[in-house]
Amino acid sequence: AQRVTQPEKLLSVFKGAPVELKCNYSYSGSPELFWYVQYSRQRLQLLLRHISRESIKGFTADLNKGETSFHLKKPFAQEEDSAMYYCALSGTSYGKLTFGQGTILTVHP
Amino acid sequence: KAGVTQTPRYLIKTRGQQVTLSCSPISGHRSVSWYQQTPGQGLQFLFEYFSETQRNKGNFPGRFSGRQFSNSRSEMNVSTLELGDSALYLCASSFAEGAVGYNEQFFGPGTRLTVL
Repeated sequence: AQRVTQPEKLLSVFKGAPVELKCNYSYSGSPELFWYVQYSRQRLQLLLRHISRESIKGFTADLNKGETSFHLKKPFAQEEDSAMYYCALSGTSYGKLTFGQGTILTVHP
Repeated sequence: KAGVTQTPRYLIKTRGQQVTLSCSPISGHRSVSWYQQTPGQGLQFLFEYFSETQRNKGNFPGRFSGRQFSNSRSEMNVSTLELGDSALYLCASSFAEGAVGYNEQFFGPGTRLTVL
């Protein structure tokens, strides 16, 4: 079975502060991990995935297989980062993403 | 390219009725996945279609069904609606060419179903 856990439902930071959204997963094989973001009144969209190892909008995420984690980080949060963030896992089954419960990030001015 | 579209955007039904939701994928995408989003359960996978065939199914009762047409458009149907079926139903399309594993999924805006 595969499972994704995001322990924080809500996360508040001030503009310019570092932010880390936590994600832990459970999967017996080699998963593909992703972060999706949903801004207010917009559709769910891919933020980044671990295999690309790139930084998007200043966000990075490193897959730690030992700790089964895929935390999302940004050194200096911006107000426009306020959104719902979902961590998701893809295993070996067709077309299925397993999502965490999501973390609402609020960046205060 | 136009994004994934879903119709209708909002629906209100009563218990016992049935409902059909439609999803048009991005041009060229042949895989369509459906998800149910609720405050309590979050995003849960319903099923996936590729080239008119259901390849994968989540843990939902048989009241939930779907199909895909030759142009890759997909519909999902829920029969004998229950109050607990009230949710946002999302579809996502990808370019998947038969390989197991991930192909980036592009999501539609969703259909908000309310069951009274």
